[in-house]
Amino acid sequence: EDQVTQSPEALRLQEGESSSLNCSYTVSGLRGLFWYRQDPGKGPEFLFTLYSAGEEKEKERLKATLTKKESFLHITAPKPEDSATYLCAVQGAAGNKLTFGGGTRVLVKP
Amino acid sequence: DGGITQSPKYLFRKEGQNVTLSCEQNLNHDAMYWYRQDPGQGLRLIYYSQIVNDFQKGDIAEGYSVSREKKESFPLTVTSAQKNPTAFYLCASSISRSGNTIYFGEGSWLTVV
Repeated sequence: EDQVTQSPEALRLQEGESSSLNCSYTVSGLRGLFWYRQDPGKGPEFLFTLYSAGEEKEKERLKATLTKKESFLHITAPKPEDSATYLCAVQGAAGNKLTFGGGTRVLVKP
Repeated sequence: DGGITQSPKYLFRKEGQNVTLSCEQNLNHDAMYWYRQDPGQGLRLIYYSQIVNDFQKGDIAEGYSVSREKKESFPLTVTSAQKNPTAFYLCASSISRSGNTIYFGEGSWLTVV
């Protein structure tokens, strides 16, 4: 059974204080690892897909990396508008469904 | 605009009643999904459909039913058999059934009163 664990559960940052979120996973035949951003009361917004170990992707202040056991979402010099819950999910060889972690709630204070 | 539309945004249901949540997409995606999200928890898969007139149970299908009569539409019925229906429901879609990014709608809040 595919499993995803995200840490920490919550993260409070000062504006400009860089940090990293962790996503540890076990999956049979990784097809893709996905990062989403979710604002309160809204649907998840797609950020990145990573397919193989060593892959990296960037978007503005966010950078996602992937190893064989975990993925990191690095937030560089965050701004208050980066405050959200960040969700990690994996898609295994068994099918096209996603298995999600519990998310990391990020609060960036000005 | 292309996207996934869920309605209603907020729904209140009395115990013992069935309710149906609507999901429509105009992205020409083959696959559609329903997820449930409880406060502070990750998303859990209820049902998914890879083609019209076909669907499969996800991890928590008990007390729910779906239909896929049209490619664009994938309604979810929350039946009275669902013991804890109060939750945030998310519809999603992807281009095809393997290895593609899944995109989400804005969600529907269901509260049992």
